[in-house]
Amino acid sequence: DAKTTQPTSMDCAEGRAANLPCNHSTISGNEYVYWYRQIHSQGPQYIIHGLKNNETNEMASLIITEDRKSSTLILPHATLRDTAVYYCIVRVPISSGSARQLTFGSGTQLTVLP
Amino acid sequence: EAGVTQFPSHSVIEKGQTVTLRCDPISGHDNLYWYRRVMGKEIKFLLHFVKESKQDESGMPNNRFLAERTGGTYSTLKVQPAELEDSGVYFCASSLEARGSYGYTFGSGTRLTVV
Repeated sequence: DAKTTQPTSMDCAEGRAANLPCNHSTISGNEYVYWYRQIHSQGPQYIIHGLKNNETNEMASLIITEDRKSSTLILPHATLRDTAVYYCIVRVPISSGSARQLTFGSGTQLTVLP
Repeated sequence: EAGVTQFPSHSVIEKGQTVTLRCDPISGHDNLYWYRRVMGKEIKFLLHFVKESKQDESGMPNNRFLAERTGGTYSTLKVQPAELEDSGVYFCASSLEARGSYGYTFGSGTRLTVV
């Protein structure tokens, strides 16, 4: 799976949009970009994923550049409860009968400030 | 639906003792995964079950670790004998399909402390 690079930490004011960048310059054509987060003392939580089109769900939006070498996770209105470590993971969607584990990096510690 | 449940939430044992962690996946999820984070390092994959079969156990650190999933429902992870470096948080996750296209659901983890 391609390696990813994320800033170590970021701050965001409550109510503002949080934009978390991720570089994945070695991503392959069939690799998806996944985002997970881990709130303190909880297990990782799936947020969103995409291949090349921008994606949006009830939690966040994912913007992937046209060359797919980087992406941005957007939390449109950050709350204090969004304070967590955010992980950007790129991986091939595993085919039937095989498995591919998630490779977590160091992630970005997002702190939402009141 | 109930999420992924792990038990115990915390365990403190002495070096050389045995500990068994349990994971109850979401009902109907054939795929079950174990991950761990030790000593502030990154979360690492341990193994993957499809029903009762081990699909991938490439992340298991050594033969002191034994994972089972009898009957394809809940899973146990036994550490015997435990060493100091085994301290960390052990996470279990499950998914309906192996592709995990819509993400895996993780439990809250078991914090293991070996003293």
